[in-house]
This record gives sequence, structure tokens and C-alpha cells, in this order.
Amino acid sequence: EAQVTQNPRYLITVTGKKLTVTCSQNMNHEYMSWYRQDPGLGLRQIYYSMNVEVTDKGDVPEGYKVSRKEKRNFPLILESPSPNQTSLYFCASSLVAGAGQPQHFGDGTRLSIL
Amino acid sequence: QKEVEQNSGPLSVPEGAIASLNCTYSDRVSQSFFWYRQYSGKSPELIMSIYSNGDKEDGRFTAQLNKASQYVSLLIRDSQPSDSATYLCAVLYTGGFKTIFGAGTRLFVKA
Repeated sequence: EAQVTQNPRYLITVTGKKLTVTCSQNMNHEYMSWYRQDPGLGLRQIYYSMNVEVTDKGDVPEGYKVSRKEKRNFPLILESPSPNQTSLYFCASSLVAGAGQPQHFGDGTRLSIL
Repeated sequence: QKEVEQNSGPLSVPEGAIASLNCTYSDRVSQSFFWYRQYSGKSPELIMSIYSNGDKEDGRFTAQLNKASQYVSLLIRDSQPSDSATYLCAVLYTGGFKTIFGAGTRLFVKA
């Protein structure tokens, strides 16, 4: 089944404790992206990647890191999480970048930073 | 700063009516436009995409794009209670490959 898989689905942690949210897609997609969704603000893009080893900042990259060492994986890293990073996070992928391809979303990861 | 604006709603329509959802965007250098539906607690799923001025129809859904007015809309005909969800407008910008989402419009279809 074609899908984008995020883990964990839920995480409660404390300020300053490094965490990684994994994202993997099995569709051979080139383009991958991370979003956070907060009430009233919609989806805001954190980082995106057009292909392996090519990443760029979205609108809200502060406090986050990403890497794209393999085509299928695009982990989101919070080196020193803070309470303002409490949010619902979505990973998404599309076949190629910039060609109007729709994005396929994972099921989301709900992070709570205490 | 690129922006995508949507009326947050809620928009309430009776079953069988036409629901009209609107979206405006701020930057003329835009490439592709998407409507996603998001049920509460779920991830967004694609409803329609549109790239050229005019109308695009798919079943009960029609997307309309007017680049001169920087306006994109979604019409849902014969609305059903199962259409009750939040509808997200998304704009893919040329060059940077960034995607900007609107905050979404909540739609309620009353049986």
C-alpha cells in the first residue's frame, strides 16, 4: 500500500530533551516536506526537500533540523524542544517538486513539550 | 510574505445545497493550486488541483481559478453530511517550491 508513515504518532516529552520524528514513504517520491498545524493557523511548512541531500527552509524552520540521506526517509529533529513547539506535525511527499503534483500526507504526530 | 487567505467559517449549508469555498492569495508568481479536505483528527487529503484559469470539474466538485484576481474557489454540489470537514486551500509557488496553506474553512452540511 502506498503510504507516508510517521513515528511516533503521539509523544509527550520535556523541554530540552532531543527528539526525532521519523517519516518514510514507499512511493519513490522525490519531494518531501514537514508541516506543523496549530489551531487558527493552518498548516505551516517547516522544511522541504526536493531530492536526496537537497533541503530548504519553509516558513517556520527555527528550532528544527532535517536531513535527507535516503530518498524514502526525511526525519524531523528537534535538538532542544521548547513548549512553543507543541503542535500537530505532518510529513508529506509528492512525486516531483515544482510540477504541480499533489502531496500525500502521513497520519500526523502530536507532540507535547512540557 | 506570501499569504493565502480563507474565511475560517464555519460555513453551514443544508444537505443537497451548493457549498462555495473561497481562497485568495497574495503573490502572482504562483504555479499550482490545490484543495484538500481534512476531517477532524485526520490528515489532509486531496480533493482537486487546478493550474490554469477557468473551471475544472470532478464529480460533485468544481474548482475555479482566476489568476488576474488571485482567486481560487471550490464548489461542492449536492452537499452531503459526509462533506462536513475543514477545507484547505494550498498554493505552490514557482521557483522556491514552497507550499503555502490557508488556515482552512470549516464546512457543516446539515441533514
